[in-house]
Amino acid sequence: DQQVKQNSPSLSVQEGRISILNCDYTNSMFDYFLWYKKYPAEGPTFLISISSIKDKNEDGRFTVFLNKSAKHLSLHIVPSQPGDSAVYFCAAIRNYGGSQGNLIFGKGTKLSVKP
Amino acid sequence: DAGVIQSPRHEVTEMGQEVTLRCKPISGHDYLFWYRQTMMRGLELLIYFNNNVPIDDSGMPEDRFSAKMPNASFSTLKIQPSEPRDSAVYFCASSRGGALIFGSGTRLTVV
Repeated sequence: DQQVKQNSPSLSVQEGRISILNCDYTNSMFDYFLWYKKYPAEGPTFLISISSIKDKNEDGRFTVFLNKSAKHLSLHIVPSQPGDSAVYFCAAIRNYGGSQGNLIFGKGTKLSVKP
Repeated sequence: DAGVIQSPRHEVTEMGQEVTLRCKPISGHDYLFWYRQTMMRGLELLIYFNNNVPIDDSGMPEDRFSAKMPNASFSTLKIQPSEPRDSAVYFCASSRGGALIFGSGTRLTVV
């Protein structure tokens, strides 16, 4: 049973427009959420995170929104650039502030930003 | 710091052979994770350590898989005997209780 779901395997966006990547989770005990970006032949790299006590976190062109009642989060990239083309993984964790638990990852969404 | 270092980058082996994957975490990180990535299952946690002690190995597929962390700067993931269905990219990651830092992975092909 997938606890973290990314229902769109791929997304194509024009350069300069907004990219919106979505993620749903089932476990209400998750208290911290992360987005990772992965280029081919490289490991995932941390992009942005959000605590369950917040509903928005922004870092430059990247903003993550959390809707706890819907168990849904999204990553917005504005404006999108060709270099953003990568696979984006959503991840969730519980008991983040104390001992580290394991991250549960979604299957990823491949973003293609076309010039 | 050079980041999380994994070796080898690629491994091709015959079914039935023993395979050992290696990982050097970032100095000062007290958590180490082994993940496996496949098309079908995505990124799945195999095992993780805290201060060199295995905390959760429930993701290890079967007894053919074993992992050790003899000290804070080295970990191995061993598959014996290997099978074609073990073919995947294996990632090691480390952290200090925050976001995980991943290595570049080992692409394993078992023929």
